[in-house]
Amino acid sequence: AQSVTQPDIHITVSEGASLELRCNYSYGATPYLFWYVQSPGQGLQLLLKYFSGDTLVQGIKGFEAEFKRSQSSFNLRKPSVHWSDAAEYFCAVGALVGGGADGLTFGKGTHLIIQP
Amino acid sequence: DAGVTQSPTHLIKTRGQQVTLRCSPKSGHDTVSWYQQALGQGPQFIFQYYEEEERQRGNFPDRFSGHQFPNYSSELNVNALLLGDSALYLCASSWGTRENTIYFGEGSWLTVV
Repeated sequence: AQSVTQPDIHITVSEGASLELRCNYSYGATPYLFWYVQSPGQGLQLLLKYFSGDTLVQGIKGFEAEFKRSQSSFNLRKPSVHWSDAAEYFCAVGALVGGGADGLTFGKGTHLIIQP
Repeated sequence: DAGVTQSPTHLIKTRGQQVTLRCSPKSGHDTVSWYQQALGQGPQFIFQYYEEEERQRGNFPDRFSGHQFPNYSSELNVNALLLGDSALYLCASSWGTRENTIYFGEGSWLTVV
């Protein structure tokens, strides 16, 4: 069974500082990987995704993530955070089944706090 | 271009009742998935519909059922509501090909009292 671990429940970062959110996955085949962000009381917004090809993927809002197969990781990074980045971040893994996307497995999320 | 839309946004039900939640996928999308997100947790996959058939199901009891209509919209039904069913229910849509992107709606908040 596939699983996702986000080891950090809470992370506090100063505004302007760099950010790295960790994600480790367990999956038997080639995964496809996502990072989503969720503001309080809102749905999920896609930040970026990885299916194949270049292991460094660029997303919206200045985020990027690197897929490392040997470490089963897909960490999210941003060089300089803004106060508006404060939110809950979810890593998710899935597979492609029969030509279509199957259900995603999500981690428990990392709550990002931005200090002024 | 409208994204994924869900209704209602909030509702309160009594234990033992039944509830129906609705979802319209993003334009051009033919696959709809439903997720349950309890407070403080990540979303959990309930099931997925494609071509009006349930294609995949997560670890949820039969009290959770769904339907997809010819226009690709979908409903999630939950019978015999329990207090533990209180959660945000998220609908996601995608197009049934490889390397598709999955878009989520804002969700329906269900409170069971």
